[in-house]
Amino acid sequence: DTAVSQTPKYLVTQMGNDKSIKCEQNLGHDTMYWYKQDSKKFLKIMFSYNNKELIINETVPNRFSPKSPDKAHLNLHINSLELGDSAVYFCASSQGLAGRILTGELFFGEGSRLTVL
Amino acid sequence: AQSVSQHNHHVILSEAASLELGCNYSYGGTVNLFWYVQYPGQHLQLLLKYFSGDPLVKGIKGFEAEFIKSKFSFNLRKPSVQWSDTAEYFCAVKRSNFGNEKLTFGTGTRLTIIP
Repeated sequence: DTAVSQTPKYLVTQMGNDKSIKCEQNLGHDTMYWYKQDSKKFLKIMFSYNNKELIINETVPNRFSPKSPDKAHLNLHINSLELGDSAVYFCASSQGLAGRILTGELFFGEGSRLTVL
Repeated sequence: AQSVSQHNHHVILSEAASLELGCNYSYGGTVNLFWYVQYPGQHLQLLLKYFSGDPLVKGIKGFEAEFIKSKFSFNLRKPSVQWSDTAEYFCAVKRSNFGNEKLTFGTGTRLTIIP
């Protein structure tokens, strides 16, 4: 039973298209994240949601729009894709408490490799 | 802003060699420290973490790390590496007692073990 699952695992698309990546966690966590890992393996946080509420929003182009319909899901929609968006996008979750990250330990999904041509 | 430095970008060792991967962070307050591992083609997994108490923490698969506050370091060690330890290793830091504080990752160290 996968704890944090992302779909799709691979996504190849043309510049200018719009695409979405979905994430679901069955750990009962109330905090979820999107991280971007570039070609040099550098991991950078993009967004964090706690109980469907946005709590961290790093400097990310507004072409990226996260949506959390409930605390078990955090989806990422990307408009007008650019070559530089090519990366592996990791979803993660952790247990928080009243908006605070309780343990700091993140549970990651297997990643979604996005290739923009 | 806090930052995390991993000075070794790529480390190549033979099996049974001892390993030490460096991690330094810039934040001066109380921190929580982590090492994550990413095996080829897989997601990140937690190796070990430090919150408080004994600065020498033991993790899975024979790994350990030592928190040295005066040096702002949290180096990862393993006395004898195996081929299966080939992976990317990430150090991460979070300011403790901070609500909604993000986990900041270092740039990673690629470890290649030669059989």
